[in-house]
Amino acid sequence: DAKTTQPDSMESTEGETVHLPCSHATISGNEYIYWYRQVPLQGPEYVTHGLQQNTTNSMAFLAIASDRKSSTLILPHVSLRDAAVYHCILRVAGGNNKLTFGQGTVLSVIP
Amino acid sequence: GALVYQYPRRTICKSGTSMRMECQAVGFQATSVAWYRQSPQKTFELIALSTVNSAIKYEQNFTQEKFPISHPNLSFSSMTVLNAYLEDRGLYLCGAKTENSDYTFGSGTRLLVI
Repeated sequence: DAKTTQPDSMESTEGETVHLPCSHATISGNEYIYWYRQVPLQGPEYVTHGLQQNTTNSMAFLAIASDRKSSTLILPHVSLRDAAVYHCILRVAGGNNKLTFGQGTVLSVIP
Repeated sequence: GALVYQYPRRTICKSGTSMRMECQAVGFQATSVAWYRQSPQKTFELIALSTVNSAIKYEQNFTQEKFPISHPNLSFSSMTVLNAYLEDRGLYLCGAKTENSDYTFGSGTRLLVI
């Protein structure tokens, strides 16, 4: 699976909209972009995923660059509960079911 | 909704002894189960991936002899850490999925070796 690059940490204030970047310059055409987050003492939680088109759900908006070499996870109006480590992961569609985690971005939220 | 339970939540074992941990999928059929270890430094390592009707595939640096895994049905998997030593400590995570879903993770089993 191709590699992703994320900032080590980011900080935000409650109520703000946070943009978490992820670079994946060597992404293959059959690789999906997945985002998971992990809060202390818990396992990773699925946030969203996409292939080419921007996607949105109740948790976040995923903006994917037209060349697919980067993506941004957008968290609107963050709260203290959104403080977590956010992992951007590439996963091949179909038979290979592996998720390869990196270090992720530690998001701190200030009251 | 899909839930994954892991137990025990935390455990302590003496160096050189073995520890078995369990993973239960609730609300869905776990056709694939992935076992990870998250070190105290927070890095993730995939130990092995178990998919029904396929052999369990271990990643480099992990072996069946050290981390035997059982996946007897679509709701349960277990893994044993044999002859645990200090370097085996960490949070062991189980992620399960159906053929068409994404991984749902448990809260992990935290292993401390003394």
